[in-house]
Amino acid sequence: KNEVEQSPQNLTAQEGEFITINCSYSVGISALHWLQQHPGGGIVSLFMLSSGKKKHGRLIATINIQEKHSSLHITASHPRDSAVYICAVSALGNTDKLIFGTGTRLQVFP
Amino acid sequence: NAGVMQNPRHLVRRRGQEARLRCSPMKGHSHVYWYRQLPEEGLKFMVYLQKENIIDESGMPKERFSAEFPKEGPSILRIQQVVRGDSAAYFCASSPGTGPYEQYFGPGTRLTVT
Repeated sequence: KNEVEQSPQNLTAQEGEFITINCSYSVGISALHWLQQHPGGGIVSLFMLSSGKKKHGRLIATINIQEKHSSLHITASHPRDSAVYICAVSALGNTDKLIFGTGTRLQVFP
Repeated sequence: NAGVMQNPRHLVRRRGQEARLRCSPMKGHSHVYWYRQLPEEGLKFMVYLQKENIIDESGMPKERFSAEFPKEGPSILRIQQVVRGDSAAYFCASSPGTGPYEQYFGPGTRLTVT
């Protein structure tokens, strides 16, 4: 079993829909990261969080440390949000190297 | 402020040749991480370096792979005697210290072994 699990693996949506991507992890963490990888391959850090909730534009990330679970929400989705969204954790005492989920491929259609 | 730079962006090598991948971290960042993404697979940690020190190489294959981050110049990931299974995207990320900190990723080097 992977230390970081994401669901769903694939997601399609119509423009304007509210989207949720889930991430569960099985190790103690110092932080959880949400990353975005575009079709061209580049990786962008969206959020790093260790508690509570963060918001940036139409993106919201939440984390529940007790339940070892995080969600990434996209409000009013747009075709330009189409990408792979990757959850990653910095495991406790582990030099900040990231352990990655397998990613969620999102396609938003106009 | 320039981001993380990697070169080359694409590298083609024949089996048995050497591949050298370079990573220049963001200005002010002294910590570098290398990750590998095999085709249709997720990202995997390879090695974590600070200037002149390898801190964690637990993700590096035991043979043929090495990494360095000299006092001056970029970090280099070196793969000797490449095989087809080494074909992958190699990403470098940097951070300003031991945090946790957000990691900033370079554009990646896509290695193809023919």
